[in-house]
Amino acid sequence: ILNVEQSPQSLHVQEGDSTNFTCSFPSSNFYALHWYRWETAKSPEALFVMTLNGDEKKKGRISATLNTKEGYSYLYIKGSQPEDSATYLCAFRHSGGSNYKLTFGKGTLLTVNP
Amino acid sequence: EAQVTQNPRYLITVTGKKLTVTCSQNMNHEYMSWYRQDPGLGLRQIYYSMNVEVTDKGDVPEGYKVSRKEKRNFPLILESPSPNQTSLYFCASRTGVSEAFFGQGTRLTVV
Repeated sequence: ILNVEQSPQSLHVQEGDSTNFTCSFPSSNFYALHWYRWETAKSPEALFVMTLNGDEKKKGRISATLNTKEGYSYLYIKGSQPEDSATYLCAFRHSGGSNYKLTFGKGTLLTVNP
Repeated sequence: EAQVTQNPRYLITVTGKKLTVTCSQNMNHEYMSWYRQDPGLGLRQIYYSMNVEVTDKGDVPEGYKVSRKEKRNFPLILESPSPNQTSLYFCASRTGVSEAFFGQGTRLTVV
């Protein structure tokens, strides 16, 4: 079983704060790294799929970076809003064997206080 | 509308009574998978399928079966449910390079 770690497990920020969290994954046999946003009582929804070392992706106030050589990705939220409150999941795909499989981290639970 | 549909959304059943959770996608995706979500453990893969008639075990397959007779459907079968299978279940589908699209989830309670 591949090890995908996310930190912190949870964090609370004030509205307007910028924040970031980390996803760590195996640095060998990299294929892709996914980020998902999961609101309570809903299904996870994709934010980004990242495949290249040095990739940076952006969607509104949310952006992500990727370092495949050292095995980490950062997710940034600029000017957090209460509607950003959710669990943020990353998922790793490796290039060997059954590379269709996604291995998920346990997520970072973000709470944005108004 | 592109979607993954799971049924039922909620189910309470008794130990040992066979049940099936259905999953259907309308995006012609090759790859489908089942996950369970438990507090503190994250999303863990139960089974996956790379195409029709091709299925394989994920990380926690014990007590589950699946089938993939048609591309759009990927039912999850619990032949003899037990209380430790009480969980939130998600079906997901994708192509080889796309993100995963998740169903609405099925909350199963086995008493």
